[in-house]
Amino acid sequence: SAVISQKPSRDICQRGTSLTIQCQVDSQVTMMFWYRQQPGQSLTLIATANQGSEATYESGFVIDKFPISRPNLTFSTLTVSNMSPEDSSIYLCSVDAYGQKLNYGYTFGSGTRLTVV
Amino acid sequence: KQEVTQIPAALSVPEGENLVLNCSFTDSAIYNLQWFRQDPGKGLTSLLLIQSSQREQTSGRLNASLDKSSGRSTLYIAASQPGDSATYLCAAWEETGANNLFFGTGTRLTVIP
Repeated sequence: SAVISQKPSRDICQRGTSLTIQCQVDSQVTMMFWYRQQPGQSLTLIATANQGSEATYESGFVIDKFPISRPNLTFSTLTVSNMSPEDSSIYLCSVDAYGQKLNYGYTFGSGTRLTVV
Repeated sequence: KQEVTQIPAALSVPEGENLVLNCSFTDSAIYNLQWFRQDPGKGLTSLLLIQSSQREQTSGRLNASLDKSSGRSTLYIAASQPGDSATYLCAAWEETGANNLFFGTGTRLTVIP
């Protein structure tokens, strides 16, 4: 299956600042997905990122707070802007492995554990 | 909207015991179901993918089954080991949409040496 390199693995940030999370995939993929996992909760989809177009955000998430870039078919970034303690979560990227999710399923990055103080 | 539930929320077993984790979903029109493992503070590792035409998948000590008509999937772990301690998540895909992936609430497993 595809291999995703996600960084940073963890960070502690001051409120009001921004953090950019990067995901690099070892193969070209059409769509990349960004999730948030709040403490003790399951995963919630933030947005879907397609190369060459604006990301599609889920209800409750806005571009000003979570801007996403997708400059090519192997890379994407998610920025958490103007952070508050409520943004403390694990953030994960995911891809449809080789564009063949029906056969291989979804692959996830190793996660970024963000703590906002 | 699809809702996925996992029972129990937490489970503690002695090493060597066989165990079953349960996953239920409300809409039987799912396409595939995928089981993941998550270690504390980490990302997700895919364990098994069951396609809609399949009823079960096996990988080593793991066996996952899928019964779409009853809205249930189970993950069977044989001869549990302390290294199996993690949170196990199931995720159901719906047939339509680019990424209709719905996650369960997870089962936190502790295997006691």
